[in-house]
Amino acid sequence: GQQLNQSPQSMFIQEGEDVSMNCTSSSIFNTWLWYKQDPGEGPVLLIALYKAGELTSNGRLTAQFGITRKDSFLNISASIPSDVGIYFCAGLNSNSGYALNFGKGTSLLVTP
Amino acid sequence: DTGVSQDPRHKITKRGQNVTFRCDPISEHNRLYWYRQTLGQGPEFLTYFQNEAQLEKSRLLSDRFSAERPKGSFSTLEIQRTEQGDSAMYLCASSFRESSYNEQFFGPGTRLTVL
Repeated sequence: GQQLNQSPQSMFIQEGEDVSMNCTSSSIFNTWLWYKQDPGEGPVLLIALYKAGELTSNGRLTAQFGITRKDSFLNISASIPSDVGIYFCAGLNSNSGYALNFGKGTSLLVTP
Repeated sequence: DTGVSQDPRHKITKRGQNVTFRCDPISEHNRLYWYRQTLGQGPEFLTYFQNEAQLEKSRLLSDRFSAERPKGSFSTLEIQRTEQGDSAMYLCASSFRESSYNEQFFGPGTRLTVL
């Protein structure tokens, strides 16, 4: 599978700030998923996107499926210390199989 | 707890030994996936099952690796003649085929260290 380009690689912000991260691919996907992973644990699904242009929210998190189908964005508003972790994007084209292709992750640090 | 479970959580072994990991998916999920994650990287796909059939395998799955899901419920991943390069987190995920959504839910992982 291919590895997605995820940026930024890391972010160090203050509590209350908004965060934006994105993910790009050279291939078209029909599913974009965003996960959060804490040290020593498995990824936890945050948001799933299935249509180009779709904008979906989960509490303070908002994600968008890019209209080109080759990118996705995740925003976190009013960050809090428990937002600390590594955020991964993952894309899938179910017409080609069910293997998720992951980015390298964005490491988020939030200071109180 | 009705999430994906994995056992053991940690495994330390010597090079050349065989190891086996177990994954129990969410009970109604008929698709099960194995991924490997090394430090600083995202998970990489290894293989997936639909019920008991192994439908897709990555080139990462060398002939020292074998996965089974004999009754379409739990799955095992065996690594024979382990090498230091096999040290990684092995993640299992499951999903529900009959759903139109491709959401995969991950377990806590098994951390393998090969000395």
